[in-house]
Amino acid sequence: EIVLTQSPDTLSLSPGEKATLSCRASQVVRFTYLAWYQQKPGQAPRLLIYGVSRRATGIPDRFSGSGSGTDFTLTISRLEPEDFAVYYCQHFDRSFLSFGGGTKVEIK
Amino acid sequence: QVQLQESGPGLVTPSETLSLTCAVSNGSINDSYWTWIRQPPGKGLEWIGFIYYSGTTIYNPSLKSRVTISVDKSKNHFSLRLDSVTAADTAVFYCARYYCGVANCFFDSWGQGTLVSVSS
Repeated sequence: EIVLTQSPDTLSLSPGEKATLSCRASQVVRFTYLAWYQQKPGQAPRLLIYGVSRRATGIPDRFSGSGSGTDFTLTISRLEPEDFAVYYCQHFDRSFLSFGGGTKVEIK
Repeated sequence: QVQLQESGPGLVTPSETLSLTCAVSNGSINDSYWTWIRQPPGKGLEWIGFIYYSGTTIYNPSLKSRVTISVDKSKNHFSLRLDSVTAADTAVFYCARYYCGVANCFFDSWGQGTLVSVSS
């Protein structure tokens, strides 16, 4: 079973700043199955990025994903007010599906 | 866009069985992996398991002994059964579609979530 560890737990930033979120896997992952989701209070998660770096339909280009092997990053180039939320990475390896613990991006 | 809607009791007695159903609309249940995920209050997401339309199931090993996921293609819905619940099972339960395209897989559709509390 692959364990995904996200860091930091909380990121305190101001609108307009750049956010860098990390997701580290306990072993090498299949990149095609690495995705990122955004969740706002009281809402279901929303797909942002799949296949490490592919933006989902309708996702602004300020969101980008990168990485390989065991280390992956979600970058928000310039935070907008609606971007303050919790972000999760997720992976599936045919027999086990895992989520990271989440990173909360809060307004500083 | 496929739409999903969870339904079921919001309160379950300890040691009893939690049962939820997810109705699939604007699409067919005859493809993809149909998934249950839960989120305890204030905590992160936990995958429970999924069922392929053919009936093949894959469960989280930590819950496998208590979980059954089934699909009813005639009604275009799938269901979750979680046995012997305790207060630790209190969570918002989401149903979701895990879509696998040519080279990628991801959750592209989610229900709104339903809070199930376990209490006497």
